[in-house]
Formats: sequence, structure tokens, C-alpha cells
Amino acid sequence: QSVLTQPPSASGTPGQRVTISCSGSSSNIGSNTVNWYQQLPGTAPKLLIYSNNQRPSGVPDRFSGSKSGTSASLAISGLQSEDEADYYCAAWDDSLNVHYVFGTGTKVTVL
Amino acid sequence: EVQLVQSGAEVKKPGESLKISCKGSGYSFTSYWIGWVRQMPGKGLEWMGIIYPGDSDTRYSPSFQGQVTISADKSISTAYLQWSSLKASDTAMYYCARHVGNPEYCGGDCFPDYWGQGTLVTVSS
Repeated sequence: QSVLTQPPSASGTPGQRVTISCSGSSSNIGSNTVNWYQQLPGTAPKLLIYSNNQRPSGVPDRFSGSKSGTSASLAISGLQSEDEADYYCAAWDDSLNVHYVFGTGTKVTVL
Repeated sequence: EVQLVQSGAEVKKPGESLKISCKGSGYSFTSYWIGWVRQMPGKGLEWMGIIYPGDSDTRYSPSFQGQVTISADKSISTAYLQWSSLKASDTAMYYCARHVGNPEYCGGDCFPDYWGQGTLVTVSS
């Protein structure tokens, strides 16, 4: 059971802006940076955002990340059909045995 | 170009042992942590643990400590995930992932950047 909570689903029409939340606690998001991953159907996850709001080379600037306190969010502006995928937030958790944790995941549907 | 190439799909019976592999290329294998992530059918991602091939320092998620063994052979740039006695509940896709960050300690700003293509493990009697 993940300690990072995301909404199970989100949707929008092409061109719209979609936002996905990621709620954690002081031992994870509250004290570490947040990363986001995109998993297209049937493929391996891909790094989308790192260190809260940084985009790796090649990731469109339609994707943006932010963090405040013990929560983070991913925004997709100008939604496109190819953005239909599962999205996961992730961060280190410093409670007891330090380990990396993923969020519960959000399925984004383009209507 | 960084590449992580994993071994092929496996079908095993409960109680059997298994070792799957992940070969890195296009970067200095001994300078980055490399880890494993489980994805059970229809479910989310679960971080299992990591190893630093340079000195074999290994860390596990509490959920997987004692359940699997992570190892690496730096001479052939390959990381492994091993089970001594498989269970049906081990049926899942397993991904390896390079972790970028502080070579001496992976935490805080350390994160998976490049991923392998996945190895499907099916355990069924």
C-alpha cells in the first residue's frame, strides 16, 4: 500500500489542462524532492519530471511539476491524445528503512 | 546511448528458484545505482531495492527485504534479481532502472531515470 496518494483517474478533451495531485507526508514529499513518471500502455515507465519541476531533455514543456509542503502536482497543458497513459509520482521516504516510494498512479484519459 | 536490456520472460512453478538479469550499456555501469521495480498485473509500481555495482552496497524496501536478492557483476555490467523459492504472488512484470544521484548514497535527490524493457515472470502450478 503506497504512502503517496493520487486520484485513480483524470480526463480531459484535447487542448485542455489536466492536473494530477500527489499527497504524502513529512517523511517523504515534505522532506524530499518529487519525481513523475509516465507509463504508456504496454511499455516501461519513462521519467517525466524530476526534482519537483525539472524536465529531462525531450519532454515537452506541456508537462510541468510543482510541490508545496507535503503535496505535489503534475500539470499537462494542451492535452494531446498521446498523453493517454498512467502517471506516477515518486519520492524517497525517510521513515524507518529509507526507501523510494511510488504513488498509487493516475490513469489519464483523453476524451 | 544509455540502454538497459533485460532477460526474457519466465514461466516457473511455485517453489522454484529464478534469477533475472539486466545488462547496462552506454554509461559507466559502476558509477550509478541500479534497482528493481515490480508491477503486478493491473497494478502500480513498487520499488524493490537498489545496488551500487561499484562496491555492491545494497538496500531493500522493507516490503521486499528477505524476499529477494539483488546482486551485480560489474565485469559484465549486469544486475540481477533473484528468488530462492517463488510464490504465485511473485507473478509480475519486473523492471530494472538506473538511478541517477550521489554515488555514495542514493536518497533524497537520487531517482530512476533510464528503465529496462521489463521481464514478465509468471509463477503457476
